[in-house]
Amino acid sequence: NAGVTQTPKFRVLKTGQSMTLLCAQDMNHEYMYWYRQDPGMGLRLIHYSVGEGTTAKGEVPDGYNVSRLKKQNFLLGLESAAPSQTSVYFCASTAGGGELFFGEGSRLTVL
Amino acid sequence: DAKTTQPTSMDCAEGRAANLPCNHSTISGNEYVYWYRQIHSQGPQYIIHGLKNNETNEMASLIITEDRKSSTLILPHATLRDTAVYYCIVRVASGGFKTIFGAGTRLFVKA
Repeated sequence: NAGVTQTPKFRVLKTGQSMTLLCAQDMNHEYMYWYRQDPGMGLRLIHYSVGEGTTAKGEVPDGYNVSRLKKQNFLLGLESAAPSQTSVYFCASTAGGGELFFGEGSRLTVL
Repeated sequence: DAKTTQPTSMDCAEGRAANLPCNHSTISGNEYVYWYRQIHSQGPQYIIHGLKNNETNEMASLIITEDRKSSTLILPHATLRDTAVYYCIVRVASGGFKTIFGAGTRLFVKA
């Protein structure tokens, strides 16, 4: 099992460009999350999903969109990237109870 | 989900027990206490969780006060590899819902 896989792992964007981060999990988990982590800071919840076809806002949702068309995938989109979105993005999933499983992170730089 | 309060940083000597406190005074009756750690820039890793009884596994022990308003994570014999950021969170166990991380405690284990 691969667990939680994030792609890409690194990306550099120019201000105003768009991109999509993909999170894939092979554990048949219902719940998936996107977090961002700025240098020296904790994780902040962007959006989450409690099942296929559902999404909900977290603590810092502005500037991001998400989709959960398939149970195993959770996509995070930036329509018009800004330097303030330079961060490390983590995806996580859980069956509902117990532990969260995290990906290795996607490092995004917006110039 | 209830919020938690943790010290920003702590030091511990190698081989000694590391005791990491967490305050969660607004915890609800159906919320569990979870602990995760993040080494360098990796994705956070689950350590342990509990409801009201003390818990122990191969990594750590979790002590929850009788009123459940605070808890302590104990690493019995800290090693240099335990240097990491430790996050205490509270969430319901059945159903993912919002899972909010705070800033965590940065533990430095010194030789």
